[in-house]
Amino acid sequence: GENVEQHPSTLSVQEGDSAVIKCTYSDSASNYFPWYKQELGKRPQLIIDIRSNVGEKKDQRIAVTLNKTAKHFSLHITETQPEDSAVYFCAAILMYSGGGADGLTFGKGTHLIIQP
Amino acid sequence: DTGVSQDPRHKITKRGQNVTFRCDPISEHNRLYWYRQTLGQGPEFLTYFQNEAQLEKSRLLSDRFSAERPKGSFSTLEIQRTEQGDSAMYLCASSRDSSEKLFFGSGTQLSVL
Repeated sequence: GENVEQHPSTLSVQEGDSAVIKCTYSDSASNYFPWYKQELGKRPQLIIDIRSNVGEKKDQRIAVTLNKTAKHFSLHITETQPEDSAVYFCAAILMYSGGGADGLTFGKGTHLIIQP
Repeated sequence: DTGVSQDPRHKITKRGQNVTFRCDPISEHNRLYWYRQTLGQGPEFLTYFQNEAQLEKSRLLSDRFSAERPKGSFSTLEIQRTEQGDSAMYLCASSRDSSEKLFFGSGTQLSVL
């Protein structure tokens, strides 16, 4: 099955600086890679995702890059703000052409701390 | 609130007791997933439904766990003869047929004493 590794487990950055979280996956057939943000005591929320047919996707201060050859993908947050403090999870999944899919495999999470 | 809802939010039980959780997905979503999350870990996939059919079960889902979605709407997850190792947050998520975007509920926090 799929295995997703996520680094670092904790990341502390100064407000306004950029943060980068990296994930690797094992199954080269995986073709969909979402990122979730989970604040303390709250549900995981999808913040951005990328499919294997593109290399980069951006949404305001958040971007995700994908390197299929190396089987890794990264989350980039620029101009970090205090409200970015949370745990971030990457995930990978194999989506079948007929629309079916198996369950998402999540990384262990990165605790992002934005220091004022 | 039109999001995924779960009930109860918290459940405390004694070892050996049975517990049942409920999940109501977003109404137009055909797929419903159950995940388990322990402190400091990412969600772990347990099982999922396409309408009323249970299509996949993880190895994590022991014989003590059973999930149902009888009418293709809400789902229940039952744990029989609970063990302390079952203590975790149980998350439900739903998605449309052709979309892999999962929307999570707030979860049920289970504590087995």
